[in-house]
Formats: sequence, C-alpha cells, structure tokens
Amino acid sequence: KQEVTQIPAALSVPEGENLVLNCSFTDSAIYNLQWFRQDPGKGLTSLLLIQSSQREQTSGRLNASLDKSSGRSTLYIAASQPGDSATYLCAVVGGNYKLTFGKGTLLTVNP
Amino acid sequence: GAGVSQTPSNKVTEKGKYVELRCDPISGHTALYWYRQSLGQGPEFLIYFQGTGAADDSGLPNDRFFAVRPEGSVSTLKIQRTERGDSAVYLCASSLDAGSSYNSPLHFGNGTRLTVT
Repeated sequence: KQEVTQIPAALSVPEGENLVLNCSFTDSAIYNLQWFRQDPGKGLTSLLLIQSSQREQTSGRLNASLDKSSGRSTLYIAASQPGDSATYLCAVVGGNYKLTFGKGTLLTVNP
Repeated sequence: GAGVSQTPSNKVTEKGKYVELRCDPISGHTALYWYRQSLGQGPEFLIYFQGTGAADDSGLPNDRFFAVRPEGSVSTLKIQRTERGDSAVYLCASSLDAGSSYNSPLHFGNGTRLTVT
C-alpha cells in the first residue's frame, strides 16, 4: 500500500526566505507526483505536476523535483511572501487513477 | 468556465440522520472522484466514476456510504445513519477521463464540511 509522508508538518519563516518542503513515498511505481496548495476552507489548487519520467518542474517562484527511485520529492519556494501561507499537499498517482496524499505541511510566512 | 461546484458548503446534522452531498463537475469531464479529508489529514480516496458507473468504490468506509451519478454529470454522495466519526470535509474532483489523471491534475471543488453532532 502506497504511503506518502511530508516533513515538516508545520513551518514558520520570515518573509523573503527561500524554503524547502519534503515529500517521500514508499512505492516508486507511480505515474506522476503532484503538489497542491490548500487555503483554509477551500479546495485544492494544483501547483505542479511531475511525470514519472521527469526530474523537475518549475512555475514562477516554485520548483519541484522528483527522485522516483529513492521515493522523494521536494518543493522549493523562492523569496517567500505572506500570500504563500497555506497548507501544501503532496500526492502520487499509481496505476489505479487514484491520488494518495500526504498529511501536508502548514506553511506560515510572517511579514 | 465554471469549476467544480459542491453544495452545500457546510452541513450540520444530528447523529443518525441521512445526508446528501452534491457535486457538479466541470462540463465535459467524464471522470468524477470523491475524497474525504479529516482534520489534520490529507484527503483519502472514497470512490470514482467513469461516466455513470462507479469504476472503483474501494475507499467507501462501509455500507452506510453510497454514491450515484445517474446521468454521467452531477454526482451525489449519500450517507445513512450518520455518525460523529463521519465529520470531515468531503471533496469532489473531476477530470476529462480517468486516464488523463496520469498527465493532468484533477480539478477540485471547495468541498462540503460535514459536522455530525
């Protein structure tokens, strides 16, 4: 059974810092890995999707990497802003069309 | 265009009552998914539909939970004899088809927050 772990569970940083969120998964037989953002009381917003054959994806200040063989991914956020405060969820898709999520990292960026 | 719409946004019910949660997917999306998110946890898969049929309902916790999608568009998640442990946010998502989940992210609604008192 696939298990996804996210570290740290919570992170508080001052505005302007670069930061890294970590995600690990136990079964490397995945089709893709996705990073989502969740604001309080809201649904999930897709940030980045990395195919299993890819090593990284970038969107603006966000960069996600994938090391499929070791079961790890990182989400790098450059020059963090208070508006980046949210919960960040990592999820993988296996051969059954279903997403398996981690518990998330609660990020607070202080002005 | 419009995104995935879920109603109601909040539902408070008493233990033992019956509830229905509605999801209206993006027009043209044939795959529809239900997930449940408990406090402090990531979303967990419940069921997904490809068209009108439930392709995989392995995540439904017990027979009190049932979902339908009679015309291949709107879906209703039904919970009978609700229990306090059913309290969670129920999220719906859609995609063009199930296979597109290998290449494209799912589109999620804002969820229904269910509270069983």
